Formats: sequence, structure tokens, C-alpha cells
Amino acid sequence: AQKITQTQPGMFVQEKEAVTLDCTYDTSDPSYGLFWYKQPSSGEMIFLIYQGSYDQQNATEGRYSLNFQKARKSANLVISASQLGDSAMYFCAMREGDQGGSEKLVFGKGTKLTVNP
Amino acid sequence: GAVVSQHPSRVICKSGTSVKIECRSLDFQATTMFWYRQFPKQSLMLMATSNEGSKATYEQGVEKDKFLINHASLTLSTLTVTSAHPEDSSFYICSASYSGDHSYNEQFFGPGTRLTVL
Repeated sequence: AQKITQTQPGMFVQEKEAVTLDCTYDTSDPSYGLFWYKQPSSGEMIFLIYQGSYDQQNATEGRYSLNFQKARKSANLVISASQLGDSAMYFCAMREGDQGGSEKLVFGKGTKLTVNP
Repeated sequence: GAVVSQHPSRVICKSGTSVKIECRSLDFQATTMFWYRQFPKQSLMLMATSNEGSKATYEQGVEKDKFLINHASLTLSTLTVTSAHPEDSSFYICSASYSGDHSYNEQFFGPGTRLTVL
């Protein structure tokens, strides 16, 4: 079974509008972390936001927020006020456990976001 | 923030040759480095995890004799693709992490290396 599921291969949004990118995950580990990365056409992976399994509040970083619904095992990324530069691939990833950085990340298949002017 | 570099950024080689890709953490000591491969329009697939001074742990299906990983120091890991073939053409990305005072145990990614085998 897939550990990270991103059901939207592609999404379109108008500039200045908000968009939600879906991510569901599967784990039995009580300690885990969820990450969102942006990958523009240049290929670099840009870290956007992190949510820990024990975090009580939804994470926010500027225009990015994470809608964390633990019971549903979902961690959707919300981008507010979309900009043309937001057009890129977006990957959701999960780290299971907490052993000081040696845990691997498992990535979803990604969502290609296109922001239209 | 922590910076990871990769060299070269792009390499084209003939079938049968070996190619070495370097991954360096520039401003921190990386206790763990990870190597990923990404085919066009696909996700990142972890190839192996390496800790400084010990043998890399390879993911299922990854040939360790073909993809040699050396993590000789806390700032450098190398991936050598031996006897490369066209099907090895891909985007290779490394990441590095460290144990310390950062709450996410975040992996910091290099910019990637695009390998084309003719």
C-alpha cells in the first residue's frame, strides 16, 4: 500500500486565488512528520512546510498552511494568493519515527500546479 | 539555512563508463546522507541511506554493485554509477541531515545531477 497518496496529478488556479493540494498518508507509527516540497522545472527541492504528528496546531509558513486532519490521515497544503511563480510540482512526504535525522522520507507522486494569469 | 551542493549538475557519458556524483554539505556536518533518483514526471525514489563511516543501506531493488555510495566524511558523500547504461539516465538528488537543534530533523536537498547515458 502506498504510504503517501496525492490524488491530483494536475491542478490549475487563477493568480491571486487560493488552492488546496491534497495529501493522505498511511502509517501505524505514532511519531511521524509530514513535509511539503516544491520542485520547479530547475529540479531543486524547496522545503515549504512541516507538520509533526504531535503538533496541536496546523503549521503555517507565510502563504503556505497545512490543513492537518490526523484522524483522517490527511495533510493538505493550502497556498493562498497564488502567484505565477508558484507553478511547479509539489510533493508531500512523510518521515516515520524520530531518530535524529536518519529516517528516510517517502514521497507521494506529486501534483503539478499551474497558476494562470 | 543549511546548504547542500552537488557536482556535476549535468553529465553526459557513453554507455559502459562510470560516473561519480559528489554531494557536499557546505555549512554543517551531515550525519546522514540520502540518494534519490527521479525519472521524468515521476516522484523521488530513495536509493540508499548512508551514515558517515559505515556502509550504505540500499533500498530493495537497488543494485549496490552498480550504485556505489561512499560517505567518507561528515561533509561529503559520493555516488558512483558503474558501467552506466542508457536506462540509468535520470535525475539524481542527494539530501543531508544532521542530529541537532532543529525541530524537524529536516533533510536538506542538493540541486540535483542530470545524468544522460548515450
